[in-house]
Amino acid sequence: AQTVTQSQPEMSVQEAETVTLSCTYDTSENNYYLFWYKQPPSRQMILVIRQEAYKQQNATENRFSVNFQKAAKSFSLKISDSQLGDTAMYFCAFMNIANAGGTSYGKLTFGQGTILTVHP
Amino acid sequence: NAGVTQTPKFRVLKTGQSMTLLCAQDMNHEYMYWYRQDPGMGLRLIHYSVGEGTTAKGEVPDGYNVSRLKKQNFLLGLESAAPSQTSVYFCASSYSPSSSGRFPDTQYFGPGTRLTVL
Repeated sequence: AQTVTQSQPEMSVQEAETVTLSCTYDTSENNYYLFWYKQPPSRQMILVIRQEAYKQQNATENRFSVNFQKAAKSFSLKISDSQLGDTAMYFCAFMNIANAGGTSYGKLTFGQGTILTVHP
Repeated sequence: NAGVTQTPKFRVLKTGQSMTLLCAQDMNHEYMYWYRQDPGMGLRLIHYSVGEGTTAKGEVPDGYNVSRLKKQNFLLGLESAAPSQTSVYFCASSYSPSSSGRFPDTQYFGPGTRLTVL
């Protein structure tokens, strides 16, 4: 079974500064995806960034980038030039192909989340 | 293009009552999922569907039933609500590996339904 661990329950950062959120995972799979989702107070789960395990190049999306260390099973999220709108709960998630009842699907395993607060 | 929508946004039930949560997506996705989110536990999969007319159990299926009569809709039912089912429920959808030729694709989530069972 896969596990995802986010060791920082809460983080805070000043506006315009950079912050890094940590995530580690445990799996015996070789082919999988990793995601960061953002959940603001509105409760909507919003995809921030996605990384395919077979790609060595770290994914980037504007101010968001990841540091993917496959051997170490680490997947951290860096937010540059933090903005007030980045205040949210951030979830790290691992996806692999699972089979149940004769059908396969993309199984998402979530970490417990990190609450990020951006201060003005 | 509304993405994934959920109805209702909030609901309060008494123990033993029944209700149905509706999820709709307009992205022509094959796969749909129901999750519950409890404090400190992240999201856990209740049931999922790989296409119209098919459903399967996830990690925590007990006390819930689902139906996928139309490709765009996925319904989650509680036949006899219990206080342990107080939670926030999320629906998600994605392309399937077979139709897109890709690994299970990114799941896109609805806005959630906050359910309280008294």
